Amino acid sequence: GENVEQHPSTLSVQEGDSAVIKCTYSDSASNYFPWYKQELGKGPQLIIDIRSNVGEKKDQRIAVTLNKTAKHFSLHITETQPEDSAVYFCAASTGNAGNMLTFGGGTRLMVKP
Amino acid sequence: KAGVTQTPRYLIKTRGQQVTLSCSPISGHRSVSWYQQTPGQGLQFLFEYFSETQRNKGNFPGRFSGRQFSNSRSEMNVSTLELGDSALYLCASSSTGGANVLTFGAGSRLTVL
Repeated sequence: GENVEQHPSTLSVQEGDSAVIKCTYSDSASNYFPWYKQELGKGPQLIIDIRSNVGEKKDQRIAVTLNKTAKHFSLHITETQPEDSAVYFCAASTGNAGNMLTFGGGTRLMVKP
Repeated sequence: KAGVTQTPRYLIKTRGQQVTLSCSPISGHRSVSWYQQTPGQGLQFLFEYFSETQRNKGNFPGRFSGRQFSNSRSEMNVSTLELGDSALYLCASSSTGGANVLTFGAGSRLTVL
């Protein structure tokens, strides 16, 4: 089955700096790659997603890039703010398996004011 | 538009008991998925229901079961509870099947003593 690895497990940045989280996947059939943000006491919230027919997608301060050949995708957050502090999860899905997502292990991002 | 509602939010059970968790999806969503979140194993897929039919099942023992009703509400049941079943159980809904955006609820935190 699919295996998703996520790095780093923790990331500390200064407010205003950029943060990058990287994920690799194993199943070349995967074609949907969402990123979720989870705050304490809440469920994961989708922040951005990308499909395999697109190499890059941007939404304000957040961007995701996908390299299908290398089977890796990355989340980029620019101009980080304290409210960006949370746990971020990447995930992958083949689409043929319904809505089954395989998640990475998560990255705890801490933005220091 | 109301989000995904999970009940109860917190519960404590003892080993050997059983538990039933409930999930009400976003109105109009026909797919409901369940995930288990633990510090050690991360987010793991349990099963997905679409139009009252189980479409996918993760690698969990038969003690874990679920169902979906005609109004798309879903329940999951865990029988003969073990200490290792202590986790946050997350429900997510989607409008259709096949690599679509999942909206998660806040989860039900189960503690097994």
